[in-house]
Amino acid sequence: QSALTQPASVSGSPGQSITISCTGTSSDVGGYDFVSWYQQHPGKVPRLMIYDVSNRPSGVSNRFSGSKSGNTASLTISGLQAEDEADYYCSSYTLSSTPVFGTGTRVTVL
Amino acid sequence: EVQLVQSGAEVKKPGESLKVSCKGSGYDFTDYWIGWVRQMPGKGLEWMGIIYPGDSDTRYRPSFQGQVTISADKSINTAYLQWSSLKASDTAIYYCARPEYNSHTFFYWGQGTSVTVS
Repeated sequence: QSALTQPASVSGSPGQSITISCTGTSSDVGGYDFVSWYQQHPGKVPRLMIYDVSNRPSGVSNRFSGSKSGNTASLTISGLQAEDEADYYCSSYTLSSTPVFGTGTRVTVL
Repeated sequence: EVQLVQSGAEVKKPGESLKVSCKGSGYDFTDYWIGWVRQMPGKGLEWMGIIYPGDSDTRYRPSFQGQVTISADKSINTAYLQWSSLKASDTAIYYCARPEYNSHTFFYWGQGTSVTVS
């Protein structure tokens, strides 16, 4: 059960849009519409930002959106703001009936 | 309001045992799964396992099977993560987390318990 693959870092200027990829296999990302994304600021608790590929929990800004194509899921942050600077982790349900997290992506706002 | 409150930071020696707790409130404790997530220093999130307090159905990530024990006491709305013999490599922050409608999407998180083994 290997971790899903994410880029180590992504950066953008305020107001820009960035996209973080999350690549798995047909046994996880490609096989289920159960991809989630979590935001974690340094020293803080993870926070759910997207679930079931593209749904936002109550209270999450609509600047965050999710999608999936084949074995790769994506998180897009539009109108990038300083407060978006954090680590982001994807997660997917797997054939083993358990979830697996991604390797994590550090988002830097330039 | 759903809350998960974890026990405090621990400093232990290798070989010692440890049990950390996660108390749920604001919902029916027996109706929702509770999972445990490890975050080693400077590293990412790792799903460890999950328990359904209603019937104690428990599942582990294979790499954690036999290394930790997940349990729950529904009479006091508390889930546990325990070790019988700690190793230095168990040093990490451990989060409990609760899904909303399935067993694997964590909507609610505890504040984390720091475990240092040295």
